[in-house]
Amino acid sequence: QKEVEQDPGPLSVPEGAIVSLNCTYSNSAFQYFMWYRQYSRKGPELLMYTYSSGNKEDGRFTAQVDKSSKYISLFIRDSQPSDSATYLCAMIRGEADSWGKLQFGAGTQVVVTP
Amino acid sequence: DTGVSQDPRHKITKRGQNVTFRCDPISEHNRLYWYRQTLGQGPEFLTYFQNEAQLEKSRLLSDRFSAERPKGSFSTLEIQRTEQGDSAMYLCASSLRLGTTNEQFFGPGTRLTVL
Repeated sequence: QKEVEQDPGPLSVPEGAIVSLNCTYSNSAFQYFMWYRQYSRKGPELLMYTYSSGNKEDGRFTAQVDKSSKYISLFIRDSQPSDSATYLCAMIRGEADSWGKLQFGAGTQVVVTP
Repeated sequence: DTGVSQDPRHKITKRGQNVTFRCDPISEHNRLYWYRQTLGQGPEFLTYFQNEAQLEKSRLLSDRFSAERPKGSFSTLEIQRTEQGDSAMYLCASSLRLGTTNEQFFGPGTRLTVL
């Protein structure tokens, strides 16, 4: 079983809809949670960075972390065709010897249709 | 452009050849990471440096792989005796370790094809 599980999609939504993405994880040591956006054949781009449980909002993006359920979410409001990409969740354990290792999900492909 | 840069962007090689990739991190960042990504998967951690010290290596990094970061600036990743299974996107990321933050910023990647 992978430490981080993410539905690969594809997830197709009409323009203007809310995109809802999520990941589950098995290791309770994860403390820092990130969402990256990756366009085809490009490097991942950091969207959101959160620590521990709670919500964080940045423009059209909202990230939620529920450590009790080992579940994180990303919501994209008023989706645009330019949001079509693969969205990767990633997380890091907090111990000093694990600071470097980002653990990624497989990524969810999102398609926003005009 | 002040982001992470990687060179080359694409590399095609024959099985058994050696290849070397370069990564230039964001200038003030003290941490540098290498990841490998295959089609349909998220990036997998390979190794990371703090300044010039290599602090952690994944078991994915076989003895054919070696990474260096001389003087704590740019880094190189060398693959010796390439195999077809080495075909992947090799991603470099950098971060500035300050307190509890560790936001990693990625470069565009080097896409390796081994024939």
